[in-house]
Amino acid sequence: DGGITQSPKYLFRKEGQNVTLSCEQNLNHDAMYWYRQDPGQGLRLIYYSQIVNDFQKGDIAEGYSVSREKKESFPLTVTSAQKNPTAFYLCASRDVGGATLRSYNEQFFGPGTRLTVL
Amino acid sequence: GQQLNQSPQSMFIQEGEDVSMNCTSSSIFNTWLWYKQEPGEGPVLLIALYKAGELTSNGRLTAQFGITRKDSFLNISASIPSDVGIYFCAGPDLIQGAQKLVFGQGTRLTINP
Repeated sequence: DGGITQSPKYLFRKEGQNVTLSCEQNLNHDAMYWYRQDPGQGLRLIYYSQIVNDFQKGDIAEGYSVSREKKESFPLTVTSAQKNPTAFYLCASRDVGGATLRSYNEQFFGPGTRLTVL
Repeated sequence: GQQLNQSPQSMFIQEGEDVSMNCTSSSIFNTWLWYKQEPGEGPVLLIALYKAGELTSNGRLTAQFGITRKDSFLNISASIPSDVGIYFCAGPDLIQGAQKLVFGQGTRLTINP
């Protein structure tokens, strides 16, 4: 089955520790995204990548870092510089080279990782 | 930047009722996407709209692309308990196009059995 995998589902860390969230997709999509969602809130873009070895800051990139060494993987590191890291983190991907207008615009989401910093 | 405003922010209805929600913007969008997010899960794409005036259905869900290109509507007929969740509208950013989606704040739907 093709899809996006995020692991683990729940993650606990102590304050001051860096933590890396995993995102893997086997959809052969070029573009990948990381969003943050706080309780009762919408989605805020952290980082995105249109192609391997390239990525851009989103609206709330401070305190986060990413890498894109492989097409199928886009890990997000939440650093100790992020003031309020406890949140629900969502990864998404998009088919940049889609043959139709439909696939070019649509983003598909993973199941999310809930990070709690104690 | 562009913003999408969803209304209402929350809805409390009885099972079997019809639901209507909308998404508006001060700027034009050429695509409207409607997602549903169940508690603790990632959003799932329900309906995509690509043409002004377009009306598209997916089971009991019907969405419309407003003629002005500044709004979109989602209707759910005969609601059932599994319709519970947050419904988001989204569209491609005016400057960056499909590279970046703008999301509304969501409409939270609660259903009383």
